[in-house]
Formats: sequence, C-alpha cells, structure tokens
Amino acid sequence: DADVTQTPRNRITKTGKRIMLECSQTKGHDRMYWYRQDPGLGLRLIYYSFDVKDINKGEISDGYSVSRQAQAKFSLSLESAIPNQTALYFCATSDQSAGMENIQYFGAGTRLSVL
Amino acid sequence: GESVGLHLPTLSVQEGDNSIINCAYSNSASDYFIWYKQESGKGPQFIIDIRSNMDKRQGQRVTVLLNKTVKHLSLQIAATQPGDSAVYFCAENSGGSNYKLTFGKGTLLTVNP
Repeated sequence: DADVTQTPRNRITKTGKRIMLECSQTKGHDRMYWYRQDPGLGLRLIYYSFDVKDINKGEISDGYSVSRQAQAKFSLSLESAIPNQTALYFCATSDQSAGMENIQYFGAGTRLSVL
Repeated sequence: GESVGLHLPTLSVQEGDNSIINCAYSNSASDYFIWYKQESGKGPQFIIDIRSNMDKRQGQRVTVLLNKTVKHLSLQIAATQPGDSAVYFCAENSGGSNYKLTFGKGTLLTVNP
C-alpha cells in the first residue's frame, strides 16, 4: 500500500551495528505496528503503538526498540544487530475508529540481512 | 497460547478453476477474521473480512466462509487467474480491546495456465 512507506527497502549490515528502519503513513491512522516475517513462521508482532508516545511489546520484542514521536511515523531500531535478525520487516497501520474491523494496511517491507 | 493455522501449505490449481484455501483457528473468543494476499516482493494486501456473527461474506470473486462450530475459516476464489498466484494468510482478532491480529503461516497458491 503506497500510503504506508518503509525505508530502506533493502539493507545489509554487519553484526553489532545499530540500524533503524523507518515507517511513515499518510492514512491518518492512529495505530501502527512492526512485524517480522520469516519463512515458515508467518508474521510475528514485534511492537505496536496505539497513539503517539504509546508503546507496547509484541511477541518478539527482545533485541528491538521503537519510537513513535509523531502519528505518521513509527521507527524500529536494532541496537546491536545479530544474524538471526535477518528477515523481512513490515510496518502496518490501522484505524481505531473502525472498531472491531481492525484491518491492518501494510507497507512493502524492508529486507534486512545481518552478516 | 492461541494460534491460527492452515491445513495446506501449498495449493496448485488450473486457470479458471475455483480455489479453496483453508484455515483453522483455536481461540473461541476470536470475533473477527481477515484474509490477506501477499504477492512476491510485496506486503500483505487486504482481501476480505468477516465478523464472528456471520457465516458467509462475498466479495468480488472471493467468498469467505466461517464455521464457528469447528473453528474453521475458508477463502474461496472463483475462476482463479494467474494474477491470483500468491501466499494467502488468514488472521484473527482474538477479542478484547487490543485489536491485535494473529496471523497464520500462509498457503502458497499457484495458478497454472
């Protein structure tokens, strides 16, 4: 979805490096999410935010941190990257006012390789 | 914990045939379900959703069926086209106020011309 933009699209880094993945959205949604996708494991939630300054851990938050300084932006950081963090990362947004219909809209993904 | 799973990891069909992709869920408190399509190199794209108070919902060439008795969800694609080739995920909202989604592992649909 072009309304959810992830940068960079691809990133290669070395073990121990700090990196940041950016997500921005023009949908005006209040909720934002970061997922990790690995072959055979599906999408797993890393962190989510229901509003600016609101941060919640997902099922696999260890080794990651996030920042939600503005409604439209949600960044994911790897403080010290390790090879098993090599994966495809997705940002998603949803609209709280939609109530139960929590349709999440995804960006195109960032492919991260940690060497 | 609760989980969402799929009966078949891969499905191969002929162009023009109907496709059925299945999903089993284990959380009886789940009140809302979504099907997503993910094409190669792209993010998941919303296809269709259904609330737990419904057992069927139709979209354009797609139908979702929900059987709460056996906790089963299916996606039917009519007259499957090559452009339908993708990985399909089901996702459930397990209820409550958090509105987080739990995703299944996905089924790869391949459409043969």
